[in-house]
Amino acid sequence: QSALTQPRSVSGSPGQSVTISCTGTSSDVGGYNYVSWYQQHPGKAPKLMIYDVSKRPSGVPDRFSGSKSGNTASLTISGLQAEDEADYYCCSYAGSYVVFGGGTKLTVL
Amino acid sequence: EVQLVQSGAEVKKPGESLRISCKGSGYSFTSYWISWVRQMPGKGLEWMGRIDPSDSYTNYSPSFQGHVTISADKSISTAYLQWSSLKASDTAMYYCARQSQDGYNWDYWGQGTLVTVSS
Repeated sequence: QSALTQPRSVSGSPGQSVTISCTGTSSDVGGYNYVSWYQQHPGKAPKLMIYDVSKRPSGVPDRFSGSKSGNTASLTISGLQAEDEADYYCCSYAGSYVVFGGGTKLTVL
Repeated sequence: EVQLVQSGAEVKKPGESLRISCKGSGYSFTSYWISWVRQMPGKGLEWMGRIDPSDSYTNYSPSFQGHVTISADKSISTAYLQWSSLKASDTAMYYCARQSQDGYNWDYWGQGTLVTVSS
């Protein structure tokens, strides 16, 4: 099984919006509504930001939103803040196992 | 408060065996699957497999099947990840994570256990 494809890096200025894509196949992203997104700051454990494509856990700011079209899922962060600078990973159920994306480093300029 | 507390960092030699642990508290341990996730130095997250602590049923990623063993002891609310013969390529941070009851996502994570394998 291959990792989902994410851009290596994205950047944006405070207050702007950025979107991180996550491309898979019809066997994972396209086949199930079980896409989740995780934020990881250096030296820290990952944190769940979005689940089931577009749902937000309690406590996650509504600046974070998720969507999916076909085999590509997306995480959009609006009103960028300095503390959003981190690595972001998408994840999808793939039938009998789970696959992560390679990760995207978000830089807040 | 839900917590997953992992065992401490390990330094091992190639060929040695190892078992690391993940103790859950603040919730019904047998009601949630536990997964293990690998993060090699400077790299991304990789799902290794999971266990249902209620009956110890396991499900592995094809990439890790046969290379590691996931187990659990529900009497002490603890899940384990073990190797019978470590390799240098097993050097990584290992996280345990609780799978939410909603589906395939992980809502609570352990702090991570750093495993270093070096001769």
